[in-house]
Amino acid sequence: KQEVTQIPAALSVPEGENLVLNCSFTDSAIYNLQWFRQDPGKGLTSLLLIQSSQREQTSGRLNASLDKSSGRSTLYIAASQPGDSATYLCAVWETSGSRLTFGEGTQLTVNP
Amino acid sequence: GAVVSQHPSRVICKSGTSVKIECRSLDFQATTMFWYRQFPKKSLMLMATSNEGSKATYEQGVEKDKFLINHASLTLSTLTVTSAHPEDSSFYICSAATRERETQYFGPGTRLLVL
Repeated sequence: KQEVTQIPAALSVPEGENLVLNCSFTDSAIYNLQWFRQDPGKGLTSLLLIQSSQREQTSGRLNASLDKSSGRSTLYIAASQPGDSATYLCAVWETSGSRLTFGEGTQLTVNP
Repeated sequence: GAVVSQHPSRVICKSGTSVKIECRSLDFQATTMFWYRQFPKKSLMLMATSNEGSKATYEQGVEKDKFLINHASLTLSTLTVTSAHPEDSSFYICSAATRERETQYFGPGTRLLVL
């Protein structure tokens, strides 16, 4: 059974700092890996999708990497802003592409 | 594009009543819809997967008679919580995927409070 772990569970940083969120998964036979953002009481916003054949994806200040062999992904946020404060969730597609398994998220607070 | 809506966004009901939550894909055809449940400060747990025109596939531990799922069309799936109890209070989120299933598009969620 696939298990997804995110470290740290919570992170508080001053504005402007670069930061890294970590995600690990136990079964390397994944189809895709996806990073989401969730604001309190809201649904999920997709940030980056990395296909299993890719090693990284970039969007603006966000960069996500994927190392399937070690079962790890990182989300790098450059020059953090208070508006980046949210919970960040990592999720992996199983090979069949039929289900997403989520980590418990990292709650990020960026202080002005 | 790829917008998914949920209705209602928030519902309060009495214990013993049934509540229906709708999930709609507004600008694409969703051959598969997924229903998740999220407890406070916890991650999303997949409850069931539904394909248009067929019965839903429930995850282990999810009571199919308690959580009725119907996927009657390519743009609508419904989750009915039957005989709701306070422990059913939670945040329910749906997602929709196209035939290619390259990604899932998530709805904004429905917060259910059972008194």
